[in-house]
Amino acid sequence: EAGVTQFPSHSVIEKGQTVTLRCDPISGHDNLYWYRRVMGKEIKFLLHFVKESKQDESGMPNNRFLAERTGGTYSTLKVQPAELEDSGVYFCASSLKSGQRSGNTIYFGEGSWLTVV
Amino acid sequence: AQTVTQSQPEMSVQEAETVTLSCTYDTSESNYYLFWYKQPPSRQMILVIRQEAYKQQNATENRFSVNFQKAAKSFSLKISDSQLGDTAMYFCAFSLKSSGTYKYIFGTGTRLKVLA
Repeated sequence: EAGVTQFPSHSVIEKGQTVTLRCDPISGHDNLYWYRRVMGKEIKFLLHFVKESKQDESGMPNNRFLAERTGGTYSTLKVQPAELEDSGVYFCASSLKSGQRSGNTIYFGEGSWLTVV
Repeated sequence: AQTVTQSQPEMSVQEAETVTLSCTYDTSESNYYLFWYKQPPSRQMILVIRQEAYKQQNATENRFSVNFQKAAKSFSLKISDSQLGDTAMYFCAFSLKSSGTYKYIFGTGTRLKVLA
């Protein structure tokens, strides 16, 4: 079974440019999460989809970040325009339906490393 | 506030020896889950072990075990017979149910290096 896959693995862009990160969750996982880790800091929650709906987007830093999950399958996270402080690793994770015991474990992708210069 | 604290940014251990990574957390919830994830240099984050807060028995997974002290809100990870492949960043996390879904709170991580 394929795990959570993310693309691109690395991205270097200039301040002011746009970047779109993509995440393909594990097949059948309704829950999809985006997290971010700035170097040396904790992994911070950005938002949570249940199928195509945004369940919780309280962690999104500002309106330069836009996440979508059309059709409830893959998700994209767009940063526009990118700023220097957006640099970090963006992790995507997925889990089965909330409320089920086994669904409480989330499975991570390898992360997308974003560097804004 | 819901927080996780990992007070050891970096640690090293000799191959075949035992190492303990510390983790404390703060929550007012009574039902939650605790996790240790590892992220090796290859970057895939992998679940190492999980513990359900209502279970008093410490979870064990092969060479990995936890010391869960609920009253102290402590959740340390012990790695026995350390192997070179254990070199990784280790993240402690807990999850709790919020508005019908699970939210995960992570620590800053501990970088563990296993020395040959």
